[in-house]
Amino acid sequence: DAGVTQSPTHLIKTRGQHVTLRCSPISGHKSVSWYQQVLGQGPQFIFQYYEKEERGRGNFPDRFSARQFPNYSSELNVNALLLGDSALYLCASSQALAGINEQFFGPGTRLTVL
Amino acid sequence: AQSVSQHNHHVILSEAASLELGCNYSYGGTVNLFWYVQYPGQHLQLLLKYFSGDPLVKGIKGFEAEFIKSKFSFNLRKPSVQWSDTAEYFCAVKRGAGNTPLVFGKGTRLSVIA
Repeated sequence: DAGVTQSPTHLIKTRGQHVTLRCSPISGHKSVSWYQQVLGQGPQFIFQYYEKEERGRGNFPDRFSARQFPNYSSELNVNALLLGDSALYLCASSQALAGINEQFFGPGTRLTVL
Repeated sequence: AQSVSQHNHHVILSEAASLELGCNYSYGGTVNLFWYVQYPGQHLQLLLKYFSGDPLVKGIKGFEAEFIKSKFSFNLRKPSVQWSDTAEYFCAVKRGAGNTPLVFGKGTRLSVIA
């Protein structure tokens, strides 16, 4: 079975540019969450989407946005990139939204902002 | 704000040594607790989880963790480590059963030497 997939694997952008990261959840999973992992830190929650609606948002500026499509795949968009946005962006999927549900993580997209 | 503390940044052990990685959290209500592992070049994988019941939880690859509510702790243990256990270990906490995000610690890097 395919796990969570993310694209692209690596990305290099310059300050002020915009970036779109993509995630495909495990088949049958309806919830997708996005995390930012800065070097030397643990993953930090950005968004959770379920059934195409935002169901949770972490402490990130409005430059960060996301959406979920009818097939449950998701995009994370970051505008006006800053050097501090350089990080590994992780996507995780789960079957359900609330309650006891395990999240399965993808390999991540490594974003470098120059 | 809820926080998760992992006391050791980097732990170096010889093969067959016993392992204990500390994790403390600050939230006082009902929590779900997790340990994730990230092997070199691989994505985050769930090692074990605690939701309720027996506070001693068994996970994969011989790992276990004990939830001590009075100490707000969920320490990870393994009686005898192997070289293949070299990885980054993350403790994560989720408040209650509702739609709350995972909060990760900063991680502990474990290096096992022959």
